Order: sequence, then structure tokens, then C-alpha cells
Amino acid sequence: GQNIDQPTEMTATEGAIVQINCTYQTSGFNGLFWYQQHAGEAPTFLSYNVLDGLEEKGRFSSFLSRSKGYSYLLLKELQMKDSASYLCAVVDSNYQLIWGAGTKLIIKP
Amino acid sequence: DVKVTQSSRYLVKRTGEKVFLECVQDMDHENMFWYRQDPGLGLRLIYFSYDVKMKEKGDIPEGYSVSREKKERFSLILESASTNQTSMYLCASSLRLDSTDTQYFGPGTRLTVL
Repeated sequence: GQNIDQPTEMTATEGAIVQINCTYQTSGFNGLFWYQQHAGEAPTFLSYNVLDGLEEKGRFSSFLSRSKGYSYLLLKELQMKDSASYLCAVVDSNYQLIWGAGTKLIIKP
Repeated sequence: DVKVTQSSRYLVKRTGEKVFLECVQDMDHENMFWYRQDPGLGLRLIYFSYDVKMKEKGDIPEGYSVSREKKERFSLILESASTNQTSMYLCASSLRLDSTDTQYFGPGTRLTVL
């Protein structure tokens, strides 16, 4: 079957760096998304990776290794507003979008 | 700015009632989606539509139907609500049907079926 694994919950300190991992086993691969979802709000797009390597967007970076079936989202200089759930989603060979359950990130002062 | 709106943020219905969830997007997107989001599970696709009056079943269509009479509006219908349909329902839209395209989500409707 198809599977995406993310930690259920993580805690980090304001100003620090946190890495949220996502591992996947899917039938083929056509890209990986990261979305951010604040409690009670809509998921919003953060990044899309289809090639191996690191892509940086301000305080947020996303890394992909297709050979390892692995991605991470790196958040630097954490702010309280970064408290949210982070959803990983993979596009499989049939162009179906497979979603992980999400990682709830708690930022402490 | 891209906007997807949903008719209700919170809804409480009784078992057996017919329930309508409405979604409107103002981006002239071709494609619209309905998901449900439950704790500990990833988003699950219920139905999607790639054009007016066109619909396709997603992963969990049982107990649901949809309607798309206008490009900007996509409705999810629970013909006879049951307690196991208590969930958060998210609507989304995208410009391309290609799943590599970014989806824009509404704020969600939290439905409770008693």
C-alpha cells in the first residue's frame, strides 16, 4: 500500500531551528508538497519539490531525496506564529495526491 | 488574492438529515475538490470536479454526492447524514487538474452529526 509517515507532534523553542521529516512509500513519484495549516484554518501551500536537493524560501527550506523516499521541512528562527500543523503530500505515478496525517508543531517561548 | 469560501464554519445536524455544504472560489479555477480531515489521518478525497457538471469519485465517495452547476461553486451533499460523517470538510480548487498543481483550500466546515 501507499504510506506517508510524519511525526505526530513536535515541540521547539522560539528562535530555534526545527526539522520536520516525511518519509514515503508510494507507487511512483511525481513530486512532494508541504502545506501549513493553522488550527481551524485552511491549509496553505509552502513548497513543492520534484528534484533532489534543498530549496530555500526565506526562513523555510524543503529538502528531497527521491532515492531514500524522504523529505524534510526546515524552519529557522522560529516564531510563535509558526505553531501549526505541517502536512506532507506526495503525487504518485497515477498523479494521485497522497496525504500524510500532518505534524503538529508547538512553539514555546 | 486567491479565495475559497465555505458556507459554514460549524454545522450540527441530526442522523438522517440531508446536509448541503457549499464551496465558492473566485479564481476561475477549473478544478474543485472535497476532502474530509480526521485526526490521525491524512486528507481523504471524497469527490472532485474538473468542469461544470463533471464529477469524479475520490477515495471515499460512499454516502456523499456532489453538484457543480456553475464553475465557481461546488456543493457536497450528504443524502442521509450518519454519525461516522462527523468530520472537518475541506474544499479546494486548482487551476490545472494535474495533481502537481497547488491547491487552494477553504477554511473548512466542522460538521457534527448527532
